[in-house]
Amino acid sequence: GAVVSQHPSWVICKSGTSVKIECRSLDFQATTMFWYRQFPKQSLMLMATSNEGSKATYEQGVEKDKFLINHASLTLSTLTVTSAHPEDSSFYICSARGHSREPQHFGDGTRLSIL
Amino acid sequence: GQQVMQIPQYQHVQEGEDFTTYCNSSTTLSNIQWYKQRPGGHPVFLIQLVKSGEVKKQKRLTFQFGEAKKNSSLHITATQTTDVGTYFCAGPNFGNEKLTFGTGTRLTIIP
Repeated sequence: GAVVSQHPSWVICKSGTSVKIECRSLDFQATTMFWYRQFPKQSLMLMATSNEGSKATYEQGVEKDKFLINHASLTLSTLTVTSAHPEDSSFYICSARGHSREPQHFGDGTRLSIL
Repeated sequence: GQQVMQIPQYQHVQEGEDFTTYCNSSTTLSNIQWYKQRPGGHPVFLIQLVKSGEVKKQKRLTFQFGEAKKNSSLHITATQTTDVGTYFCAGPNFGNEKLTFGTGTRLTIIP
């Protein structure tokens, strides 16, 4: 149980393109979803916390207009990187959680490369 | 803000040797979670410890939560090549809403 699906797994696109990443909880309802960013050989850095039906809460230093998050249902959250530039290239990982005391379950991640 | 540090940052061991990673939080934690991330993969939940001084075992892995609930350790006995990866501890902030991940310990095994 507790499977989280993330798509796409790999994106290569030109600078200025907007990229949408989907995160789905397949066998449970995710009250909360989280979006992380991970640079090579570094830890996971939380970008934002997303609760179904409400606006995402962004961490300090994360641009809301740059990283648009939508949590439309209890099983789906999306992250859109708008007008992506090479410095946005990274590994983006989502996670989902049911109740607050449950562990987070991670998607496979999306490797984003902006040329 | 809350900081979670892990040592060592890297560990290279001969297959069959033991391995330990230590996790230290700047604040007291309600619980500590451990995750494993294989190279190129995503973090996979291993275990959660809640009680002060708690010790849990999963086959060759032993997890410990400190008495003050500010530190934790993961010990692997007789490492195997399948143990390769980065081990992260993670602690929730006040209210358990979100996790702060540790800096991670990257384990490589020499066959």
